Amino acid sequence: GNSVTQMQGQVTLSEEEFLFINCTYSTTGYPTLFWYVQYPGEGPQLLLKVTTANNKGSSRGFEATYDKGTTSFHLQKASVQESDSAVYYCVLGDRDNNAPRFGAGTKLSVKP
Amino acid sequence: GPKVLQIPSHQIIDMGQMVTLNCDPVSNHLYFYWYKQILGQQMEFLVNFYNGKVMEKSKLFKDQFSVERPDGSYFTLKIQPTALEDSAVYFCASSSDWGIAEQFFGPGTRLTVL
Repeated sequence: GNSVTQMQGQVTLSEEEFLFINCTYSTTGYPTLFWYVQYPGEGPQLLLKVTTANNKGSSRGFEATYDKGTTSFHLQKASVQESDSAVYYCVLGDRDNNAPRFGAGTKLSVKP
Repeated sequence: GPKVLQIPSHQIIDMGQMVTLNCDPVSNHLYFYWYKQILGQQMEFLVNFYNGKVMEKSKLFKDQFSVERPDGSYFTLKIQPTALEDSAVYFCASSSDWGIAEQFFGPGTRLTVL
């Protein structure tokens, strides 16, 4: 079945530093890949989505490339702000599998 | 943008009692989900629902849990009877399609079982 792995449970950065959050996935189908962001006290919200292999998605300065060769969908941002502090979830969706698969989440803390 | 509402925002209940969590999904969505999040931990899938049926459920979706959406009203999660380990925030989500469409999440219902 489908699965998503996020090995970094927590990332701590200072403002304007570079962000890299690791995500790898496993599937036998043709997935759509998502990054969701969850701010404290809220439900997750979509950050970006990529449906086609080897394409890149971007939003609000974040970007991620759907790399079929390495089965990865890492999230990057060139310069983080304190307001980016949140939990980031990598998610895999597939028409053939009913339930989207969430990674364990990575908590980003950005110090001013 | 489209919003999912959840009622109530907080619920405190004694162990063994029944509780119903209500979700008002995005109006034209047909696919519905419940997730459980224990404080400070990850989102965990419970169940998804389409056309009046449970399509998939996880190991966390115990026999004491049930879902329904009678006549296009609220999408509900009922727990009967509740247990201490059911204390968590429960998030409802809806989407316009399986798998490949964005899920819209509600703000969550914080359930405390005493």
